[in-house]
Amino acid sequence: AQSVTQLGSHVSVSEGALVLLRCNYSSSVPPYLFWYVQYPNQGLQLLLKYTSAATLVKGINGFEAEFKKSETSFHLTKPSAHMSDAAEYFCAVIPSSGSARQLTFGSGTQLTVLP
Amino acid sequence: EAGVVQSPRYKIIEKKQPVAFWCNPISGHNTLYWYLQNLGQGPELLIRYENEEAVDDSQLPKDRFSAERLKGVDSTLKIQPAELGDSAVYLCASSSRASGSYNEQFFGPGTRLTVL
Repeated sequence: AQSVTQLGSHVSVSEGALVLLRCNYSSSVPPYLFWYVQYPNQGLQLLLKYTSAATLVKGINGFEAEFKKSETSFHLTKPSAHMSDAAEYFCAVIPSSGSARQLTFGSGTQLTVLP
Repeated sequence: EAGVVQSPRYKIIEKKQPVAFWCNPISGHNTLYWYLQNLGQGPELLIRYENEEAVDDSQLPKDRFSAERLKGVDSTLKIQPAELGDSAVYLCASSSRASGSYNEQFFGPGTRLTVL
């Protein structure tokens, strides 16, 4: 069974500082991986996805993530935080093959951006 | 293009009362999902439809929850009777059967249910 772990339920950074949100997965074969963002009282919006192409994936709003098979990680980064980045971020995983392709989410990381 | 529409956005009911949530997916999307999101947690799949057929409802508590997707478009999720522990956000998502190995899911804004 696949699972995803997000280290740190709350992360605070100063505006302009590096954003690093951690995600590790557990899967017998490399899965597809996703980062979603959820603003208050809104649904989830896809930031970026890894589907076995380039290991460094660029997404919207200046975010990027790198798939590292040896570390079973897919950490999300942004060089310079903006106040508008404050939101909850979810890492998610889905099997890369098979019929039971259910999206499994991590428990989320709440990002606070300090002025 | 309109996104996934859900209504109501908020619902407050007393325990033991029934409640229903409605979802209208993106036009042309044949796959529809209902997720449960508890406070401080990631979404968990309740049921997945392919057109009008429920192909994965293993996580749906069938004693009190039911869902339908008549005509393979709109869907309704019902709880009867509601319990205090059902307070959560209910998210609907849809995806198309496009070419490729993964079909991106698009999420609606959710319905926030409070059971008193």
